Amino acid sequence: ETGVTQSPTHLIKTRGQQVTLRCSSQSGHNTVSWYQQALGQGPQFIFQYYREEENGRGNFPPRFSGLQFPNYSSELNVNALELDDSALYLCASSSWDFYGYTFGSGTRLTVV
Amino acid sequence: GQQLNQSPQSMFIQEGEDVSMNCTSSSIFNTWLWYKQDPGEGPVLLIALYKAGELTSNGRLTAQFGITRKDSFLNISASIPSDVGIYFCAGQLLSGGGADGLTFGKGTHLIIQP
Repeated sequence: ETGVTQSPTHLIKTRGQQVTLRCSSQSGHNTVSWYQQALGQGPQFIFQYYREEENGRGNFPPRFSGLQFPNYSSELNVNALELDDSALYLCASSSWDFYGYTFGSGTRLTVV
Repeated sequence: GQQLNQSPQSMFIQEGEDVSMNCTSSSIFNTWLWYKQDPGEGPVLLIALYKAGELTSNGRLTAQFGITRKDSFLNISASIPSDVGIYFCAGQLLSGGGADGLTFGKGTHLIIQP
């Protein structure tokens, strides 16, 4: 069984730019969620997708948006990047009952 | 955003010692999870708890879901060098099939001295 894979692993962007991060879910999982982890902090919930619809969202502005595709892979898009957006972005997948999330290794985004 | 109160923030212990860490919340949860994160990796699930009062073990790890549903603890017995890492608690409140996401603590950094 394949785990959760994320790409790219590292990324450097300039303030004001837009970025797209990608995630492939673990085999058999149909739910994907995204988290932002600042240095020295625990992950913060951004949003979750189930059956290609957003069904849960944390306290993040609308410039954080996402997509889920029919094969359950997902994208996280961030517009108008700010310096504070620098963080590790984690994707997690789970089955429909949300029990036990499997995390990817993350994408390290640096905004300069 | 909200984070759980996790303590201690860091622990310096000798190999072979037992470890205990806990997590408290002002909100109730119906699921508590414990994760371990190594440098450059995502969190890995250690133990999942689904009922208040539940006590669950996974090898040398034991975790409990508090009766009030507002707290949980994790114990590690006879620590070994590979236990080094950051341990996170996470709570989730599931409601009507929707998803509130996981709320994480700030982590406990476990350091084992030779």
